Amino acid sequence: GNSVTQMEGPVTLSEEAFLTINCTYTATGYPSLFWYVQYPGEGLQLLLKATKADDKGSNKGFEATYRKETTSFHLEKGSVQVSDSAVYFCALSEENEKLTFGTGTRLTIIP
Amino acid sequence: KAGVTQTPRYLIKTRGQQVTLSCSPISGHRSVSWYQQTPGQGLQFLFEYFSETQRNKGNFPGRFSGRQFSNSRSEMNVSTLELGDSALYLCASSFLAGKETQYFGPGTRLLVL
Repeated sequence: GNSVTQMEGPVTLSEEAFLTINCTYTATGYPSLFWYVQYPGEGLQLLLKATKADDKGSNKGFEATYRKETTSFHLEKGSVQVSDSAVYFCALSEENEKLTFGTGTRLTIIP
Repeated sequence: KAGVTQTPRYLIKTRGQQVTLSCSPISGHRSVSWYQQTPGQGLQFLFEYFSETQRNKGNFPGRFSGRQFSNSRSEMNVSTLELGDSALYLCASSFLAGKETQYFGPGTRLLVL
């Protein structure tokens, strides 16, 4: 079956540091890949997505590139802010299949 | 366009009771999925409805059920509540089913005492 493996957290960084959260996946076909973010007490918000190999999703300074050869979709941001503190989920979906999530990575940014 | 709405936002029940949660999808979206989020198990898929038909179902006991109405609104029901059912229940909608982007509501936080 499909699965998503995410970098274990929690991750603590200083403001303006570079962020990478690793995500690798296992899928039988050609999935779409997503990053969702969850702020305290809220539901999930779509951060970015990519639907085919070599696509780069980007939003709010975050980027992730769909790498089919390494089955990865790592999340990066060049300079994090305190407001980026949240839990980040990597996810995939295939045709006629449910959304499969990673375990989530809690990110805390220190001023 | 209004986002996904869920009601109620918070709920406290006792063991053995039943509960019904409601989800209104984004206007025009025909697919609604439900997820349970707990600290121990993370995000787990419950079921998905598309055009009033259940398309997919996760590995939850029969106490968990759902339905979708002709206006795409969905409800999920949990009967004979157990302490372990305490969780955040998230609803997500998408225009179609499958690989479409799912948009999530704020969730209903259920506490079973």
